[in-house]
Amino acid sequence: NAGVTQTPKFQVLKTGQSMTLQCAQDMNHEYMSWYRQDPGMGLRLIHYSVGAGITDQGEVPNGYNVSRSTTEDFPLRLLSAAPSQTSVYFCASSYGTRLETQYFGPGTRLLVL
Amino acid sequence: ILNVEQSPQSLHVQEGDSTNFTCSFPSSNFYALHWYRWETAKSPEALFVMTLNGDEKKKGRISATLNTKEGYSYLYIKGSQPEDSATYLCACTGNNRLAFGKGNQVVVIP
Repeated sequence: NAGVTQTPKFQVLKTGQSMTLQCAQDMNHEYMSWYRQDPGMGLRLIHYSVGAGITDQGEVPNGYNVSRSTTEDFPLRLLSAAPSQTSVYFCASSYGTRLETQYFGPGTRLLVL
Repeated sequence: ILNVEQSPQSLHVQEGDSTNFTCSFPSSNFYALHWYRWETAKSPEALFVMTLNGDEKKKGRISATLNTKEGYSYLYIKGSQPEDSATYLCACTGNNRLAFGKGNQVVVIP
C-alpha cells in the first residue's frame, strides 16, 4: 500500500492563479480531510468528506473547494490564490472519523506570491 | 468547533529526564482522544487513541492517561532521549470531526 499520497510536494503560485492539490489513498478509507498548518496555529481543518459524493466545510473553508467523486481521491482546489493561503497542506484519511487513526500524507508546501 | 488546548507550547528537556504535558478538551460530547507524534519535515503519526475515562496507554517510554470527566489527558515521556524530540499533537473527536491542539514541541538536549 502506498498509503496517502499528495502531489505536488511544493508549488509556487502568483496571486490570482488557481490550482488543484491532489490527494489519493489506497486503503479504502471512507473519511478524508484537508488541513493547513501555519506557524503557531497547529492543524486547521479546511474541508472533509465522510464518503464519496459527500463533503462538508471545516474550520477555514473560504477560498477552497473540494469534491469526492471516488473513495480514493479528494482534491483540494484553490480558486484564486492569495498570499494568505501560503501554508503547508496535509491530507488525511481514516476508516471513520470518531475513533479511527488518521493517516496523513507527506504534505504540500504552497507559496503564493 | 472543538477547543483543544495543549500546554506548555514548548519545552526543553535534558536527556535522561522525564517530562509530561497536558491536553485539555471539552468534556461534553466527548468521543475519543488521540495523540500524534510529529517530527520535523514529516507527517504526524499516531501514538494512542483513548475513549474511556481512566484509560492508560503505553508505547515504550511514552505513556498517556485520560480523564473525560474533567476534560484532560496527560502524555508522559520517561527518560527522554534525543529521538523523542518532536511535536506531540493532541486531537479530540466529536460531532464527526477531529480537532487538533497546537501541539507540545519537545526538544531533548543531549
